[in-house]
Formats: sequence, structure tokens, C-alpha cells
Amino acid sequence: DVKVTQSSRYLVKRTGEKVFLECVQDMDHENMFWYRQDPGLGLRLIYFSYDVKMKEKGDIPEGYSVSREKKERFSLILESASTNQTSMYLCASQFRGPKLFFGSGTQLSVL
Amino acid sequence: DQQVKQNSPSLSVQEGRISILNCDYTNSMFDYFLWYKKYPAEGPTFLISISSIKDKNEDGRFTVFLNKSAKHLSLHIVPSQPGDSAVYFCAASAPYGGATNKLIFGTGTLLAVQP
Repeated sequence: DVKVTQSSRYLVKRTGEKVFLECVQDMDHENMFWYRQDPGLGLRLIYFSYDVKMKEKGDIPEGYSVSREKKERFSLILESASTNQTSMYLCASQFRGPKLFFGSGTQLSVL
Repeated sequence: DQQVKQNSPSLSVQEGRISILNCDYTNSMFDYFLWYKKYPAEGPTFLISISSIKDKNEDGRFTVFLNKSAKHLSLHIVPSQPGDSAVYFCAASAPYGGATNKLIFGTGTLLAVQP
């Protein structure tokens, strides 16, 4: 079974803080994704990566950056957290086909 | 604009009856469609998928139907069980290049199966 691990289930941060969300997958998958889920808006793609050090913007990249230094790890960075970034963040990996394997999610609250 | 739409935010069904969840899309380039199920405070889990070259795919109690001319797909769950109560997301796959596929998700439908 594919295992996608997100380092924190719940996180509370202050406005203006720099926030790191970490994600690790154990199946040597090429592709990794960051989504956020908000009520009434579904899952929206923030960034994705198809190889080490490669990244592509998704539909809502503003206010975020990513890092992929190793194949198994994909980090989402909130440069200066704002209250409108309070959300459930979901990391996923993908291997040769459209199916995504998701982590358990990180519920981030920015106060 | 929303390329994948789930127009029913919620659905309530009696245990043992059929649940039908609907999804519409606008982009005819989508080549694969998937359904995910999500419980609160957990990540989505894959349920069933269908290629755009098919019109039906079945897996146990779950069947997905695709109507390409109408750009519409539906998920049928029969019989519905209380454990099926969750949010269901429809997703469409847009090939990005190579072996990468971007999934575009709908807004979700909350299914409540009443005992």
C-alpha cells in the first residue's frame, strides 16, 4: 500500500509567520501534489512536482511556494501566513496514471 | 470557472436504497474520471474510476456511468449503507505531459445514509 505521510494533523500559526508543511511518500512516485480543501470550494490545486527540483503552479499558487529536494519529500511553504490561508491542506502522490494517493491532511489555522 | 461541477451539496438516502451522485464537466479534453470518498479529518480515498472511452464501470456496490455527449457522469451506490456517509468528490484528469496527470476536483457532495 502507498503511504503518504503529512507531518502534522493540526497546526496553529500566527499571521505573518513562515509555515512549512511537510509530506513524504514511500513508493518512489515521480509526481507529488499539494491541494487545499475548503467548504463549498472542493479541492484546489496549489502546486505540483513531476521530478526532483521541478515544480509547476496549480490553480491557486499565490502566497505559497514549494520545495522538492528529494524524490520522496514535497514541502509546501507559506511565506507569510494570512488568515485566508486557514484550510485543510492535502498532499498526494501519483505514479503513471491519474490516480492520486492522499495523505491524511493538515488542518492549518492562522490566527 | 469551475470545470468540474457537483451541483448537489448534499444528499440524504435511506439505508438499503440507491444513492446517485452527479457530476458535470465542461472540458472535452478530460480523458479519465475518478470518484473519491472523504471522511472528516482524513484524506480522500480512491473509490472508482472510468476512462473516457467507456460508458460504465462497476466495482461491487459502486457503478460509475459516463455520458460524454452530455459531459455528465454519475456514481451509483446500491445498496447504500450507513458507512457510506461521507463527502464524495468527482475528479477529472487533464494530461499535463509525460506521465503526469492533473486532477481537477468538483466541490463535493455530502452523502448521509440514514439507518
